[in-house]
Amino acid sequence: NAGVTQTPKFRILKIGQSMTLQCTQDMNHNYMYWYRQDPGMGLKLIYYSVGAGITDKGEVPNGYNVSRSTTEDFPLRLELAAPSQTSVYFCASSLQGDPRGGELFFGEGSRLTVL
Amino acid sequence: AQKITQTQPGMFVQEKEAVTLDCTYDTSDQSYGLFWYKQPSSGEMIFLIYQGSYDEQNATEGRYSLNFQKARKSANLVISASQLGDSAMYFCAMRRGNFNKFYFGSGTKLNVKP
Repeated sequence: NAGVTQTPKFRILKIGQSMTLQCTQDMNHNYMYWYRQDPGMGLKLIYYSVGAGITDKGEVPNGYNVSRSTTEDFPLRLELAAPSQTSVYFCASSLQGDPRGGELFFGEGSRLTVL
Repeated sequence: AQKITQTQPGMFVQEKEAVTLDCTYDTSDQSYGLFWYKQPSSGEMIFLIYQGSYDEQNATEGRYSLNFQKARKSANLVISASQLGDSAMYFCAMRRGNFNKFYFGSGTKLNVKP
């Protein structure tokens, strides 16, 4: 079972470059999320989506954009990368009404360094 | 604002002993969910246990139990019979009932000593 798949796993960017983190899930989950985790810290919500065509900001959306054209895919776009965006990024999904409270299923994470 | 607080940045426990990781939360929602996740040094996030705000009994999953005290807004994780493989970061999280948005605490790093 693939679950939630993120690519790339590692990336180094120069200041001012742009990139897209890809995320896809094969569980037909309606909710999808992007989190960032700074060293030694908890996860902060960047953006989330309740279904195809519907997205909303989380706690730390500045410098990022998302789209959700299909149920499966939820890419995260970084525009004009800055050193403050150096972090580990997690994509996650959940299913409303899941018997385990709609638990989050996570991808393996993408480690991004901006130099 | 929704908030999750984990006041123990790091903890040590002897192998085979029980340990409690603290978590308090702040919400005005009536319906919400509380979760614990484990993050080993390899970095992946592993679901451990879930408690719904309307659940009257404390959740249990194997060696994990969640001590839910609704009036005190606490959701402590109890790990019984600690094992070396339990050494990891542990995160408490809250899901807002109406929006399915999850908020995480800052984590507790647990070290199990042989």
